[in-house]
Amino acid sequence: QKEVEQDPGPLSVPEGAIVSLNCTYSNSAFQYFMWYRQYSRKGPELLMYTYSSGNKEDGRFTAQVDKSSKYISLFIRDSQPSDSATYLCAMQDGGATNKLIFGTGTLLAVQP
Amino acid sequence: EPEVTQTPSHQVTQMGQEVILRCVPISNHLYFYWYRQILGQKVEFLVSFYNNEISEKSEIFDDQFSVERPDGSNFTLKIRSTKLEDSAMYFCASSVVRGMDGYTFGSGTRLTVV
Repeated sequence: QKEVEQDPGPLSVPEGAIVSLNCTYSNSAFQYFMWYRQYSRKGPELLMYTYSSGNKEDGRFTAQVDKSSKYISLFIRDSQPSDSATYLCAMQDGGATNKLIFGTGTLLAVQP
Repeated sequence: EPEVTQTPSHQVTQMGQEVILRCVPISNHLYFYWYRQILGQKVEFLVSFYNNEISEKSEIFDDQFSVERPDGSNFTLKIRSTKLEDSAMYFCASSVVRGMDGYTFGSGTRLTVV
């Protein structure tokens, strides 16, 4: 079983739609959960950062973590064409290692 | 907004040649990292660096790879003898504390080995 699994998409939605992006993971030691946005041929850009279970909201973005199910989500409300990018989930155990484990990324296209 | 700067943006090199990828992390950051992304694959950890030494490395980071912080601002990744399979985007990242606030990534260097 892969450590972090993410549906690669592509996911195509109309402008204004609510987008749901998800990752599952197998390592119960993960405590820190991040969502990055990556435009083509650019570096990952941190969108959301959460610790342990719960919700976090920032503008149109909401991140959810359910550690009991080993499942994390990113919701984008009122999606815009400028949101078109690859969305990467990443995780970290916060212990001896400080490396990030990434999902494969989901390619999102928001159609005007 | 502070950013991580990487040069060059694209490097083409012959197989067997040495390459040095350069990064200028954010000035008050203490932890530095290299990740790579082979086309169509996930972003993979290579190495982390703190207090002028490697704090962790992956199995990818073998003897062909080395990192250095030659002065107070630059952070470099050297590949001694490049292979075709080293072709990838290489991302430098930095963080203030031990990664718990998320990292700031650079825009990457696209390395093409021919």
